[in-house]
Amino acid sequence: DAMVIQNPRYQVTQFGKPVTLSCSQTLNHNVMYWYQQKSSQAPKLLFHYYDKDFNNEADTPDNFQSRRPNTSFCFLDIRSPGLGDAAMYLCATYGQGALDTQYFGPGTRLTVL
Amino acid sequence: DQQVKQNSPSLSVQEGRISILNCDYTNSMFDYFLWYKKYPAEGPTFLISISSIKDKNEDGRFTVFLNKSAKHLSLHIVPSQPGDSAVYFCAASARDGGSNYKLTFGKGTLLTVNP
Repeated sequence: DAMVIQNPRYQVTQFGKPVTLSCSQTLNHNVMYWYQQKSSQAPKLLFHYYDKDFNNEADTPDNFQSRRPNTSFCFLDIRSPGLGDAAMYLCATYGQGALDTQYFGPGTRLTVL
Repeated sequence: DQQVKQNSPSLSVQEGRISILNCDYTNSMFDYFLWYKKYPAEGPTFLISISSIKDKNEDGRFTVFLNKSAKHLSLHIVPSQPGDSAVYFCAASARDGGSNYKLTFGKGTLLTVNP
């Protein structure tokens, strides 16, 4: 009964080679987020979708893009990964419910060679 | 500029004793605070929260205390169990009567509970 699913769990890419990470949810939440978390750092919000409305954080590099084709799915595209983009990428959702909190997926660990 | 600070990267306690994890914040607009727990290879999961209108919230072995004047909160785990070993993230929200739609996270504290 996984609620926020991320695929793949581990992704290896080459420097400069585009990569796409995916997230799906079964919660029917209207908000979906992408966070970047580097070792021993706080999760850093990259952007989020409120329904179809895309909201980019001011300091998110242009190299990072996102798509949300429907309520259930959201994708993170890294157009030209650099070594500094190696991190854990966390997808989260938010919606009205018993618990006023964000729900996280297990994350995708990205390695850039 | 870190708005939510967890100054202890790690904490080690003995099973059965109390674990105290601390969190400080700088943004006076924050009015709701959450603790998340993260096991390796899993995403953070919600643990407990507190509104700024309260100074304490308890849920079983977990209690969160809030000191608004000091902009400080702490999570107490009593008694600590080996299964509590995880990274604990403090998060804050400026709900302003709304929701926890936008959260600001601390860096996390790795808790190790030794048998």
